[in-house]
Amino acid sequence: AQSVTQLGSHVSVSEGALVLLRCNYSSSVPPYLFWYVQYPNQGLQLLLKYTTGATLVKGINGFEAEFKKSETSFHLTKPSAHMSDAAEYFCAVQSKGGSEKLVFGKGTKLTVNP
Amino acid sequence: DSGVTQTPKHLITATGQRVTLRCSPRSGDLSVYWYQQSLDQGLQFLIQYYNGEERAKGNILERFSAQQFPDLHSELNLSSLELGDSALYFCASSVAGRGDYGYTFGSGTRLTVV
Repeated sequence: AQSVTQLGSHVSVSEGALVLLRCNYSSSVPPYLFWYVQYPNQGLQLLLKYTTGATLVKGINGFEAEFKKSETSFHLTKPSAHMSDAAEYFCAVQSKGGSEKLVFGKGTKLTVNP
Repeated sequence: DSGVTQTPKHLITATGQRVTLRCSPRSGDLSVYWYQQSLDQGLQFLIQYYNGEERAKGNILERFSAQQFPDLHSELNLSSLELGDSALYFCASSVAGRGDYGYTFGSGTRLTVV
């Protein structure tokens, strides 16, 4: 069965600092990979996704993620944090050719300090 | 506005009662997914419908049931409610058959069982 591990349930950075949120997956076949963001009292919004092709994918709000098959990782980064980035971030996987359900990690809450 | 509409936004009910949560998918999406989000369990997949038919089932309790109607809206029925059923319930939709598209989430229904 697929699983997703997000290292660090809480991450705190200063405004302008690098944001790095970690995600590792467990799957016999590399799955489709997603990052979602959830702002307080809102639903989840797709930030970016990796399906095929270039392993470095760019998303909205200046975020990007790199798929590393050898490390089974899909870490999310942003060069310079903004106060508006404070939210909870979820990594998710979806198997190729199988069920379309998304399996989510537990989430990482990002705090941005002024 | 994501295009996925969930009603009601908030629901407070007593133990033992039954409630119905409603979801209208984004225009053109045939698949509807239901997820439960709680602090201890995170985001848990409940069930998926595609064009009126059940397509995948996850950790859905026997007290819970769902259906998708000909107009593609979906309802999640929760019965014999317990305190532990208090959670955020999300509906998401996607273009089925293309699992790499990701989901579009609604803003959720917050259920409080007292």
